[in-house]
Amino acid sequence: QSALTQPASVSGSPGQSITISCTGTSSDVGHYDLVSWYLHHPDKAPKLMIYEVNKRPSGVSNRFSGSKSGNTASLTISGLQAEDEADYYCCSYTGTRMIFGGGTKLTVL
Amino acid sequence: QVQLVQSGAEVKKPGASVKVSCKASGYTFTSYYIHWVRQAPGQGLEWMGVIHPSGGSTTYAQMFQGRVTMTRDTSTSTVYMEVGSLRSEDTALYYCARSYYGTSGPDFWGRGTLVTVSS
Repeated sequence: QSALTQPASVSGSPGQSITISCTGTSSDVGHYDLVSWYLHHPDKAPKLMIYEVNKRPSGVSNRFSGSKSGNTASLTISGLQAEDEADYYCCSYTGTRMIFGGGTKLTVL
Repeated sequence: QVQLVQSGAEVKKPGASVKVSCKASGYTFTSYYIHWVRQAPGQGLEWMGVIHPSGGSTTYAQMFQGRVTMTRDTSTSTVYMEVGSLRSEDTALYYCARSYYGTSGPDFWGRGTLVTVSS
């Protein structure tokens, strides 16, 4: 099974909002409300930002929000800040295992 | 506080095996699954498999089945992942990460172990 599909890159200016999509199939993203999102700076441990589609762990800014429609999940970051610049990955349960997206590089202009 | 401390970097020749460790602390070791995820240079995250430390049950991604073995030692709260028949494409940063449910993405990650496969 191939990775979930994410755009390779997105960009936005400070204060703006951006959305990163994550497209799977009716067997993974479309079937389970078990999509999570990770922020990853190179050579650092990934950080959980959203779990179960739209839940935020304690300590994660409410500028980060998640949603899902059909086979596509989305991560929205509002009020962009320079520190948000990183790679972002989605992850979904498939019924037997986990699968990640290919990753999206967010550039804050 | 929760910690997942991984073993140090390894350099291996093609065909060899490598065993990476992940020592957990700051939480009940047997209550959380441990996933292994790798990132090859310039590539994205790739899920390899998961182990539940309580009974030792494992699930592996299909592409790693037969070549990867995950084990645990409850006396030291340590999980191990061994990759056999190494090839250059296995050069990657290997992360361990925990989740409470086996169906959930991990909520906390180790800092990674670099494995380099080179002749």
